[in-house]
Amino acid sequence: DGGITQSPKYLFRKEGQNVTLSCEQNLNHDAMYWYRQDPGQGLRLIYYSQIVNDFQKGDIAEGYSVSREKKESFPLTVTSAQKNPTAFYLCASSTWTGGDSNTGELFFGEGSRLTVL
Amino acid sequence: GEDVEQSLFLSVREGDSSVINCTYTDSSSTYLYWYKQEPGAGLQLLTYIFSNMDMKQDQRLTVLLNKKDKHLSLRIADTQTGDSAIYFCAVGYSSASKIIFGSGTRLSIRP
Repeated sequence: DGGITQSPKYLFRKEGQNVTLSCEQNLNHDAMYWYRQDPGQGLRLIYYSQIVNDFQKGDIAEGYSVSREKKESFPLTVTSAQKNPTAFYLCASSTWTGGDSNTGELFFGEGSRLTVL
Repeated sequence: GEDVEQSLFLSVREGDSSVINCTYTDSSSTYLYWYKQEPGAGLQLLTYIFSNMDMKQDQRLTVLLNKKDKHLSLRIADTQTGDSAIYFCAVGYSSASKIIFGSGTRLSIRP
């Protein structure tokens, strides 16, 4: 079955620690995204990547880092520089890399809930 | 910059129609979407509309787009308890290759 897998589903972190959230897709999609979801604030874009070895900052990239060494994988590291990291993190992928060639539908993983103790 | 706004809550009676509204600021959008999120899960695409369309109907769902007013709405006919979820409006900008989401509207159904 094709889809997006995020792990872990729940993660607890002590202050000052870096953590890495995994996102893997077998949909052969070029574009991948990381969003952060907080209650009442919807989804905010952290980073996105349209092609392997390239990625761009979204609206709230500070305190986060990503890599895109393989098409299938787009891990997100939440660093100790992120002041308020407790949130629900969603990874998504899409065939859309701009233009009007397709609908740009995003396929989402089930999310990872990070809690800082 | 791009901004997408929705009201946070909507409560409707079972069997009635639900109308969820969305406004956006940047008119250079390409596609506009409605996503549904069940509790503790990711988002799933419900429907979308291309920016040169006014309306799209898909079974119980009707999407209306007023490009002049930058207003998008989702109507769910005959609302059922299974429709309880958070509904996100999203706007795609081909020039920037990114999709901006609204804050989500939590739809609750009362008997």
